[in-house]
This record gives sequence, C-alpha cells and structure tokens, in this order.
Amino acid sequence: GQNIDQPTEMTATEGAIVQINCTYQTSGFNGLFWYQQHAGEAPTFLSYNVLDGLEEKGRFSSFLSRSKGYSYLLLKELQMKDSASYLCAVMDSNYQLIWGAGTKLIIKP
Amino acid sequence: DGGITQSPKYLFRKEGQNVTLSCEQNLNHDAMYWYRQDPGQGLRLIYYSQIVNDFQKGDIAEGYSVSREKKESFPLTVTSAQKNPTAFYLCASSIEADYNEQFFGPGTRLTVL
Repeated sequence: GQNIDQPTEMTATEGAIVQINCTYQTSGFNGLFWYQQHAGEAPTFLSYNVLDGLEEKGRFSSFLSRSKGYSYLLLKELQMKDSASYLCAVMDSNYQLIWGAGTKLIIKP
Repeated sequence: DGGITQSPKYLFRKEGQNVTLSCEQNLNHDAMYWYRQDPGQGLRLIYYSQIVNDFQKGDIAEGYSVSREKKESFPLTVTSAQKNPTAFYLCASSIEADYNEQFFGPGTRLTVL
C-alpha cells in the first residue's frame, strides 16, 4: 500500500530552526509537496521537489532523497505565525496526491 | 482576484438528508478535486475531474456524487448513503491533472446532527 509518515506534533521556540521529516512509500513518484495549513483554513503550497537535493525559498527549505524515500522541511527564524500544520504529499504514478496526516507545529515565545 | 470559493463555510444537516457543497473557480483550471479531511488523517480524495463533463472516483467515493457541467464549477453532493459525513471538505483545482500545484478553496465544515 501507499504510505506517508510524518510526526504528529512538534514544538519549537520563536527564532529557532525546526526540521519536519517525511518518509514515503508510494506506487511511483512524480514529486513531493509541502503545504502549510492553519487551523480551519485551506492548505497553501510551500514547495515542490522532484529531483534530489535542497530547494531554498526564503526562510523555508525542502530536501528530497528519492533513494531513501525521505524529505524534510526546514523552517528558519521561526515566527509565531508559523504555528500551523505542515502537510507532506507525494504525487504517485497516476498523478494522484497521497497525503500524510500532517505535523502540527507549535511555536512558543 | 482569481481563486476558488466554497460555500457555505459551515453547514449543518440532519441525518438522512442529502446536501450539496459548492465549489467555483475562476482560475481557468481544467482539473478540479474534492477532498475530505478528518482529524489525525491525511486528505483523502473523493472525486476528481480532469475536464468538463468528465470525472473519476477517488479513494472514498461511496456516498458522494459530483457533476462537472461547467469548467468553473464542481459541486459535491453528500448523500444519505454516506455513513460518516461529518468532516471538513476541501475543493482544489490545478491547471491540468498532472500539474504540480493544487490550489485550495477555504473549505466547508459539514456537521450531521
């Protein structure tokens, strides 16, 4: 079966750095996505990785290793507004998105 | 402003009633999707449509129906056959079915009383 695993919850301090991991097992691979979702709101796109390596976009970076079935989202200089759930999703061979359950990130002052 | 709208934001229905959730987009996207989100679970695909007048079942289509008569609109009907309909429903669209980014509407929270 297809599976996406990520931690349920993480806590970090304002101004610090946090890394949210995601491992996956899917039928084929056409890219990995990270979305941010504030409580009760729609997910918003953060990043897309299809090749191995690190993609940097401001305070957020995303890493992919296809051979390990592994990705992480790195958030730097954490702000209180970064408190949200972070969703990892993989596009499989049928171009369907398979979603993880999300990691709830709590930022403390 | 281009985007996706869903209405209503909150919806209550009595058990045994059908209810239709609205989803409209003015992004000129070909593909549209309906997801269901439950606490502690990832988004699950209910139905998707790659083009007007065509749609396919997702992983959890039982108890739901859709139509795609216009490019802009993809309404979802939650029927009385859906055994556990209380959930947060999200509509999304993308330029085409295999495009790498989906844009989401604000969601509809359905509660069955």
